[in-house]
Order: sequence, then structure tokens, then C-alpha cells
Amino acid sequence: NAGVTQTPKFQVLKTGQSMTLQCAQDMNHEYMSWYRQDPGMGLRLIHYSVGAGITDQGEVPNGYNVSRSTTEDFPLRLLSAAPSQTSVYFCASSGDRGFQPQHFGDGTRLSIL
Amino acid sequence: GENVEQHPSTLSVQEGDSAVIKCTYSDSASNYFPWYKQELGKRPQLIIDIRSNVGEKKDQRIAVTLNKTAKHFSLHITETQPEDSAVYFCAAEAAGNKLTFGGGTRVLVKP
Repeated sequence: NAGVTQTPKFQVLKTGQSMTLQCAQDMNHEYMSWYRQDPGMGLRLIHYSVGAGITDQGEVPNGYNVSRSTTEDFPLRLLSAAPSQTSVYFCASSGDRGFQPQHFGDGTRLSIL
Repeated sequence: GENVEQHPSTLSVQEGDSAVIKCTYSDSASNYFPWYKQELGKRPQLIIDIRSNVGEKKDQRIAVTLNKTAKHFSLHITETQPEDSAVYFCAAEAAGNKLTFGGGTRVLVKP
């Protein structure tokens, strides 16, 4: 099992560009979520999904969109990148703890210039 | 909303000693409290969790205690080893089943 796979690992964008961070899990987990981690801070929930076709907003959803067309995939889209979105992004999944993160991906380190 | 405070922000212990990290939360309705370990440059890993119907839970050298009346919970690591060096995050399940994280504790175990 690969677990939770995130791509890319690193990305540099210019302000105003858009991009999609990919997340896939092979554990047939219903619950998936996206967090961002800024220096000296804990993780903050951006969006989450309790199953295919169902998504909801977390603590810091502005500037991000998600979709969940399959159980396996949960991509995060930055609509118009801003320097404040420079962060490390983690995708997580859970099978038996509700939608509290149980397995994390390796993260995507994103810099917005 | 939920607010989680974590102390201390850094903790240095001698190998073999115990380490204790404390977290307080604000929402008395919270009922799930996980702890995550994050090594430098790596992903967070769930290491232990506790629900509000239990006062203490142990897993080998780590344990978590919960005091719902006082709204605080703690992580205890006994017989610390160099591989315990990492940043540890507590979290509490807030309204709408969403986790709120503490700010993290950087633990350094000195050989």
C-alpha cells in the first residue's frame, strides 16, 4: 500500500497563477482532508470530504477549491495564488476515526512569489 | 470556536528522563483528543488519541491523560530516547467534528 500520495513535493508559483495539488489514497478511506502548516503553527483545516461527491469548508477555505469525484482522489485547487498561501500543504485520510486525520501524505511545499 | 493552547513550546530532556506536554482547550463539548509527532521535514504521524469517556490511555512508553472538568490533557513520554526528538502537536475535536491544533512542542532528547 502506498497510503496517501501527494504531488508535487515542491512548487514555486507567481502571484495570480493557479494550480492543483494532487492527493490520492489507496486505503478506501471515506474521509479525506487538506491542511496547511505555517512556521511555528499547528495545522489548519482548509477543506474536507466525508465521501465521494461531498465536500465542506474547514477553518481557512478562502482561495481554495476542492472536489471529490472518486473515493481515491481529493485535489486542492488554488484559484489565484497569493503570497499568503505560501505554506506546506498536507493531505490526510481516515478510515475509522471519523474524519480526523489518521494518515498524512508527505506534504507539498508551496512558495508564492 | 475551539481554542487549543499547548505548553511548553520547547522541551529539552536528558535521555532516559520523562517528558510531559500539556494542552488546554476551550470547548467543553470537545470529545476527541489526538496527539501527532512530526519529525523534521516529515509528515505528522498519529501516535495516540483519547476520547472523553476515558481518563487515561497508554501505548508502550507514551500515555495520554484527560481531565474534562479542567479541560486539559497531557502527553507523557517515559524513558525518552533520541528518536523521540520531534515536534509534537495536540488537537481537540471542535464543533462540526473539526480538529483544532495546538501550536506544537519541540522536544529535544539529549544523549
